[in-house]
Amino acid sequence: GEDVEQSLFLSVREGDSSVINCTYTDSSSTYLYWYKQEPGAGLQLLTYIFSNMDMKQDQRLTVLLNKKDKHLSLRIADTQTGDSAIYFCAERIQGTYKYIFGTGTRLKVLA
Amino acid sequence: GAVVSQHPSRVICKSGTSVKIECRSLDFQATTMFWYRQFPKQSLMLMATSNEGSKATYEQGVEKDKFLINHASLTLSTLTVTSAHPEDSSFYICSARDAGGGPDSEQFFGPGTRLTVL
Repeated sequence: GEDVEQSLFLSVREGDSSVINCTYTDSSSTYLYWYKQEPGAGLQLLTYIFSNMDMKQDQRLTVLLNKKDKHLSLRIADTQTGDSAIYFCAERIQGTYKYIFGTGTRLKVLA
Repeated sequence: GAVVSQHPSRVICKSGTSVKIECRSLDFQATTMFWYRQFPKQSLMLMATSNEGSKATYEQGVEKDKFLINHASLTLSTLTVTSAHPEDSSFYICSARDAGGGPDSEQFFGPGTRLTVL
C-alpha cells in the first residue's frame, strides 16, 4: 500500500537553509506536493513537482526528486522565523485525485 | 487564488449529539471534495471523496453511517458526524478540486474545523 514517511522534527537557525526529506512507496505517483500547516490552520500549497522532473525551484524553495529512490526533498533557503510550521509532503495516486500525506515534519526556526 | 471555507471553525458538543460541518468553494465550482481527519500532531487521513450529485466514496475503515457526507451542489459539501463520541474529537479538514484547474489547483484546503465531543 501507499506509505509516505518524513522525519518528525527539524530545528535550524534563522538565515540557514532547511532541508526536509520525504520518502514514498508508490512509484506510479504522478505529482508530488509540499504543503505548509501553521498551528490550528488548514494547509497551504507551497510547491509541487511532476514525476518526470528532477528539480524545481521557486524563489526560496527548491524541490528535488529522486524517482529511483522514491525520495523527495524541500530546501528552504534563508529560513525565517515565519517558516516555523509543519511541512507535509503528499503524493497523488496515479489515475485518481487522491492524495496520500506524509507524517509531517515540524520545523522550528531559532532566532 | 481559489478559496475554500469551512463552518464552523470550532464546535463543542455533548456525547450522542450530531454535528454538521460545511465546506464551501467560494469562487470556483468543485465537482469533487475531500474530507480529511487529523489527530493532534499527526498527518491527515483521507476519510472520503465527495462527488457532486452522487454518493461519497469512503476509505477503508471509515463508517459511512457515522460520517454522513452530502454534496448537493457544486459549491457545498457537508459532513455530519452522527451520535458523536469523545473519540470523534479531531480536526476535520476539507478540500475542493477545481475541475478546470491544473496540478497546483487540484485541491484547495479549507481552514479546518476543530470538533470536541464532551
